[in-house]
Amino acid sequence: TQLLEQSPQFLSIQEGENLTVYCNSSSVFSSLQWYRQEPGEGPVLLVTVVTGGEVKKLKRLTFQFGDARKDSSLHITAAQPGDTGLYLCAGTTSYGKLTFGQGTILTVHP
Amino acid sequence: GAVVSQHPSRVICKSGTSVKIECRSLDFQATTMFWYRQFPKQSLMLMATSNEGSKATYEQGVEKDKFLINHASLTLSTLTVTSAHPEDSSFYICSAREGTVHSNQPQHFGDGTRLSIL
Repeated sequence: TQLLEQSPQFLSIQEGENLTVYCNSSSVFSSLQWYRQEPGEGPVLLVTVVTGGEVKKLKRLTFQFGDARKDSSLHITAAQPGDTGLYLCAGTTSYGKLTFGQGTILTVHP
Repeated sequence: GAVVSQHPSRVICKSGTSVKIECRSLDFQATTMFWYRQFPKQSLMLMATSNEGSKATYEQGVEKDKFLINHASLTLSTLTVTSAHPEDSSFYICSAREGTVHSNQPQHFGDGTRLSIL
């Protein structure tokens, strides 16, 4: 079983602060996705990273895929209250399934 | 973009009844659909993989007779929770993906169904 360890589980910060969420595994994933989920809704795809060492930016969000394709990070610069939500990393296994991390509940206080 | 519609969004029913949840891909054909269960403030847990025209593949610990999955067309999969009990109360989410079982195409998620069994 391929597991993804996501940390931290909870993050409570002030508006304007920076933060990083990590996902780590001992297994290699063919690709890794980051999702954001609002209460009562389904996850919304933010980014897919495929190549080891890949870095993708989405406005204030920076996503990085580890060189060995076993880990990934999400960095948010100058967080805003609108960034509040559940962030999920998910790795694509060789069978095409998604293995989700435990999730990070982010709260950004104004 | 790819849209997945899930219906109903919320169900409240008495213990012992069966509940059917529909998952539709609106603008693409989904060879594979997935069903997840999510408890409050927790991550998604894969219940089963639904392949069009064949039997669903269930994850370990998921009762296939309890959670019936049908994927009769390339745009529709259904999950039926049979003889539901309060412990079945949860948030159920489906996703759909183009391509074969081993495809690397991203999964697109529905908005979930909040199931409450009284």
